[in-house]
Amino acid sequence: SQQGEEDPQALSIQEGENATMNCSYKTSINNLQWYRQNSGRGLVHLILIRSNEREKHSGRLRVTLDTSKKSSSLLITASRAADTASYFCATGLLSGGYNKLIFGAGTRLAVHP
Amino acid sequence: GAVVSQHPSRVICKSGTSVKIECRSLDFQATTMFWYRQFPKKSLMLMATSNEGSKATYEQGVEKDKFLINHASLTLSTLTVTSAHPEDSSFYICSASAVRADTQYFGPGTRLTVL
Repeated sequence: SQQGEEDPQALSIQEGENATMNCSYKTSINNLQWYRQNSGRGLVHLILIRSNEREKHSGRLRVTLDTSKKSSSLLITASRAADTASYFCATGLLSGGYNKLIFGAGTRLAVHP
Repeated sequence: GAVVSQHPSRVICKSGTSVKIECRSLDFQATTMFWYRQFPKKSLMLMATSNEGSKATYEQGVEKDKFLINHASLTLSTLTVTSAHPEDSSFYICSASAVRADTQYFGPGTRLTVL
């Protein structure tokens, strides 16, 4: 079953603009991760934020986590056409000694030149 | 580093046949491997989790006799779709993680089409 819900489902912007995607979840988590998927391909890990962290940066990516609201956001600054992809949040739950990921529905981002 | 491969990338088979998909971690030892299924424009649904040398743990609603998972070594897990039917057509993705690691590394996926 899916844990997270992402908002918006689809986002269309121009190159150079910022893109913000939100993710909400329902249960306590160990960590939250964001992944990117190009059409018909596998997933690429973007960033992991632990439950005791509030913000994390990686290049043009900024992720926030609010455990009180059970929500996270991914901000891509100065977007490029190459950022066009689907973005998924995944909540990490400790289960049987490993980190089990439950994925949200994803946001389809289109960046137009 | 952290490269995961899947083979084949695409497979077309007839209804009633079995199909095996391989997932390999190329540059690290994967104590745990995961199998997901993804429908078009949808999210990934976790099917099962396998630990090297032990039986896989299946998610609720996933038929273990239909989707056979074997994790015989620290670098290889296989998913066999038995007696495939058209409704089994989907994109299957594996991922792998090292011991006590939080990050999963994903393979490129296998598109299965059952005629």
